[in-house]
Amino acid sequence: DILLTQSPAILSVSPGERVSFSCRASQSIGTSIHWYQQRTNGSPRLLIKYASESISGIPSRFSGSGSGTDFTLSINSVESEDIADYYCQQSNSWPTTFGSGTKLEIK
Amino acid sequence: QIQLVQSGPELKKPGETVKISCKASGYTFTNYGMNWVKQAPGKGLKWMGWINTNTGEPTYAEEFKGRFAFSLETSASTAYLQINNLKNEDTATYFCARRDFDYWGQGTTLTVSS
Repeated sequence: DILLTQSPAILSVSPGERVSFSCRASQSIGTSIHWYQQRTNGSPRLLIKYASESISGIPSRFSGSGSGTDFTLSINSVESEDIADYYCQQSNSWPTTFGSGTKLEIK
Repeated sequence: QIQLVQSGPELKKPGETVKISCKASGYTFTNYGMNWVKQAPGKGLKWMGWINTNTGEPTYAEEFKGRFAFSLETSASTAYLQINNLKNEDTATYFCARRDFDYWGQGTTLTVSS
């Protein structure tokens, strides 16, 4: 199975700052990476698909980049509502796998 | 609008059986497969497998072969997850998610405790 490593486990930023989440795959997966936001006691919400493709209804401050093994989700100007866990997922190889997540805290 | 609505929380004893439902609305049910995802308390997301809503054929991730069963009631646009011979480690929230993980149910919390 493809292992996705997300780092760091916790990110702490101030409102208005830019933040980046890292996801590294154990082998090359092209751009078959997707990003999710999960607020406390909520369901995951798809933010970005195929590394950089935007999703209807998702604020434009969310963007994604990367290919191969290294991927990044960025939030341009963090807002308090962005407090959540963020997960990456790969769909290049069966079975699909998720990273362990990064928790975003607001200072 | 597209919705996936899951059944309510469950409290079961070890060895019992549970069946969790996921009712879809707002789209043609048989056009999109359904995934099931497990999230243990305080842990991340783990894909359990998916069911082809057109043929009814299930596919299970390795860890979820044996006690787990996906099924459908197509006339009711509903997918089911059944877990047999429950164990303490089945305690988790279970999510259904449409084929491309673009829509998710609200989750069903299962607690297994004697």
